[in-house]
Order: sequence, then structure tokens, then C-alpha cells
Amino acid sequence: GENVEQHPSTLSVQEGDSAVIKCTYSDSASNYFPWYKQELGKGPQLIIDIRSNVGEKKDQRIAVTLNKTAKHFSLHITETQPEDSAVYFCAPPNGNQAGTALIFGKGTTLSVSS
Amino acid sequence: NAGVTQTPKFRVLKTGQSMTLLCAQDMNHEYMYWYRQDPGMGLRLIHYSVGEGTTAKGEVPDGYNVSRLKKQNFLLGLESAAPSQTSVYFCASSYGGESTDTQYFGPGTRLTVL
Repeated sequence: GENVEQHPSTLSVQEGDSAVIKCTYSDSASNYFPWYKQELGKGPQLIIDIRSNVGEKKDQRIAVTLNKTAKHFSLHITETQPEDSAVYFCAPPNGNQAGTALIFGKGTTLSVSS
Repeated sequence: NAGVTQTPKFRVLKTGQSMTLLCAQDMNHEYMYWYRQDPGMGLRLIHYSVGEGTTAKGEVPDGYNVSRLKKQNFLLGLESAAPSQTSVYFCASSYGGESTDTQYFGPGTRLTVL
């Protein structure tokens, strides 16, 4: 099955700085790469995703880039704000399982200080 | 729309007791999932359902049972709780089974087994 690794596990930045989180995966057949944000006391929520036929996707201050050759994709947050503080998970689907079961990375705790 | 709701929000059990967690969604989604989240482990799939009356095992199914008698509800049961089942449980749903279908998560149930 899919093996997912996420780095770093914690990330502290000053407000206005950029943050980058990287996710590596093992299944070369993977074709969909989502990022989820989990705020304290809440469930994860999809914030951005990318499909394998695209190298980069942007949505305001967040972007995701994909390198299929190296089997990794990254979340980029620019002009960070205190409300960006949360745990971020990459969660590519498990291609070996029926349905769309997600394989979550272990998460990155982002702290943005003002 | 309430989205995905979970009851209860918190529960404390003694070893050997049983309980049922309820998940409800009002989005007419076919697929529903139960995950558990442990510190430093990300989320792991327990069981899932691809439609009313169907269930299937995920990555960590031992010690849990599920039922999907109605399309909008997905129940997770613990017949004899163990301390190793102390965790935060999340329910999710998605419209279909494509790998690109977004999963929507509930707010979670924090379970402690003493």
C-alpha cells in the first residue's frame, strides 16, 4: 500500500513569512494529492489538491506543487497569518483499496506568531 | 446543511464496557468512513462503507464493528473497550468512490478508556 512521509513535523514562522511542508509518497500510480488542515478541536478540512497532470496549483495564499518523478508534493503558504496556525496533513488516496480511503501523513504543526 | 455530525463529543469508558458512536451526514453521500487519530500517528482508517447496507474493513479494524442501516448514518461499535482504543474518532463522508472525491469530516469524538 501507499507509504506517506511528511516533513517537518513542526514549523514555527513569524507572521508574514512563508511556510513549506513536503510530503513524499511511494505509489507511483497515485494521481491525486490533497492537503488537509485541522484546527484545534475540529476535523480535517480539504484546503487544496492537485491532480497528476498538473505541476502546480494556486489558491490565493496557498499553493501545491507536484514532482511525480521524485514522488513528492509540497504545500506552500505565503504571507502567513495567525489563523494559519493548525496541523496540516497530506493525504494521498490508497490506490490499493476500494473506495477513496486516504493515507494520512503524520501531520505538520504550523505555528504563526505575530 | 449541518454536514457531518458526530455524537457524543466526549466519552469515558471503563475497560470491558461497550458503546456506539453515531455519525450522520445530510449531503446524500454514498461513501462513509471511520478514522481514529492518535498523537503522532495521523489518521488511520478503521472501517468504511460504499453504500447503505455495506461495510468493509480498513487498516485497523480489530476491536470495532460498524453498521450502515440507513444511507445517512454510520455507526461504530466497541463491544469490549480496551485502553488501546483511547483515541479521537472521526467520521467522514464523500459523494462517490473516485479517488478525487473530497472527504468531509465531522468534529470528532474523544474517547478515553480507563
